[in-house]
Amino acid sequence: EAQVTQNPRYLITVTGKKLTVTCSQNMNHEYMSWYRQDPGLGLRQIYYSMNVEVTDKGDVPEGYKVSRKEKRNFPLILESPSPNQTSLYFCATRDNSYEQYFGPGTRLTVT
Amino acid sequence: AQSVTQLDSHVSVSEGTPVLLRCNYSSSYSPSLFWYVQHPNKGLQLLLKYTSAATLVKGINGFEAEFKKSETSFHLTKPSAHMSDAAEYFCVVSGDTGRRALTFGSGTRLQVQP
Repeated sequence: EAQVTQNPRYLITVTGKKLTVTCSQNMNHEYMSWYRQDPGLGLRQIYYSMNVEVTDKGDVPEGYKVSRKEKRNFPLILESPSPNQTSLYFCATRDNSYEQYFGPGTRLTVT
Repeated sequence: AQSVTQLDSHVSVSEGTPVLLRCNYSSSYSPSLFWYVQHPNKGLQLLLKYTSAATLVKGINGFEAEFKKSETSFHLTKPSAHMSDAAEYFCVVSGDTGRRALTFGSGTRLQVQP
């Protein structure tokens, strides 16, 4: 089954404690991206990757890092999380028709 | 640059009545347009997409949308609402040729009254 998986699904952490949210896909898509969803703002892109070792900033990259060492994985790293990064995060891939496939989401709370 | 405006943040209809969720877009390129639905505490599911073929696009669960270039609109409709349609709906535009392709609207929350 074609899918995008994210882990963890829920995470509560404290300010400044580094964390990583993993994302993995089995569709061999080159394009992957991370979004955050906040009430009234829709989804905003954090980072995206056109292919292995190719990453670029989206609309709201501050406070986040990503890496793309292999095609199937695209982890999101928060080196020093802050409360304003409390949000619902989605990983997504994209096929050649621009259709995106979303993971189930990770709800992050930073206290 | 591209942008999406969903004209209503909340829409409330009665079960069995028509649904209209409005979306206007701007794009420097010939856009691809999508509608996604998000049920409470769930991920995003593709309802339908327009990619420069027929201007009237049919999606899942009886939804359809019409691409009107002259009006730069892509409104989502359904003839008869069902309780299970209650969710948040996102209009999305993709007009860039490859880089930061998608721009999401802010969402419309659809409420269906019994």
